[in-house]
Amino acid sequence: DVKVTQSSRYLVKRTGEKVFLECVQDMDHENMFWYRQDPGLGLRLIYFSYDVKMKEKGDIPEGYSVSREKKERFSLILESASTNQTSMYLCASSLSRGAGELFFGEGSRLTVL
Amino acid sequence: EDQVTQSPEALRLQEGESSSLNCSYTVSGLRGLFWYRQDPGKGPEFLFTLYSAGEEKEKERLKATLTKKESFLHITAPKPEDSATYLCAVHKVTSGGSYIPTFGRGTSLIVHP
Repeated sequence: DVKVTQSSRYLVKRTGEKVFLECVQDMDHENMFWYRQDPGLGLRLIYFSYDVKMKEKGDIPEGYSVSREKKERFSLILESASTNQTSMYLCASSLSRGAGELFFGEGSRLTVL
Repeated sequence: EDQVTQSPEALRLQEGESSSLNCSYTVSGLRGLFWYRQDPGKGPEFLFTLYSAGEEKEKERLKATLTKKESFLHITAPKPEDSATYLCAVHKVTSGGSYIPTFGRGTSLIVHP
């Protein structure tokens, strides 16, 4: 079975802290994505990657960076967390760059105090 | 600008009361319309992909249809376990030639016993 694993289900951080959210997929997928999900706003794309060391900005990249050193792992980094980054973060992967359905992790709920 | 709009935002049904959810889209060069189900506190789970107008797909009590401007998710004789948020997504092309999924805000469905 396809599996996308996010390292932390729940995190509580303080303003200004550096935060790492990690995501691993075991399907040899080319594409990986980071979304955030907020009530009333739906899923918004932060960054995506279609190959190792490759990344493209999504709709809301400000305040975030990403790293993809290995094909199976895609990390989201908040350099200096702020309260408006309190959200549910969802990682997803898909087979190829062309299109195809997404496979999601269980999500990481981040609270920034 | 490419856009995905889902309606209604929320829907309450009695068990057995059939209804439909709508997803309208404006995107040039559709490369698939995707339906997902999301349970509270979890990541979305893929349901269907539709590629061309007139196409239909079914799974248990759910049937998805597609026209040139919208998709419907028909729920026949729903049960309480069908309660979830239903998301639709289309792919849009980035300037770099990547296809990235763009989501609607979802329809929250509650089915009362």
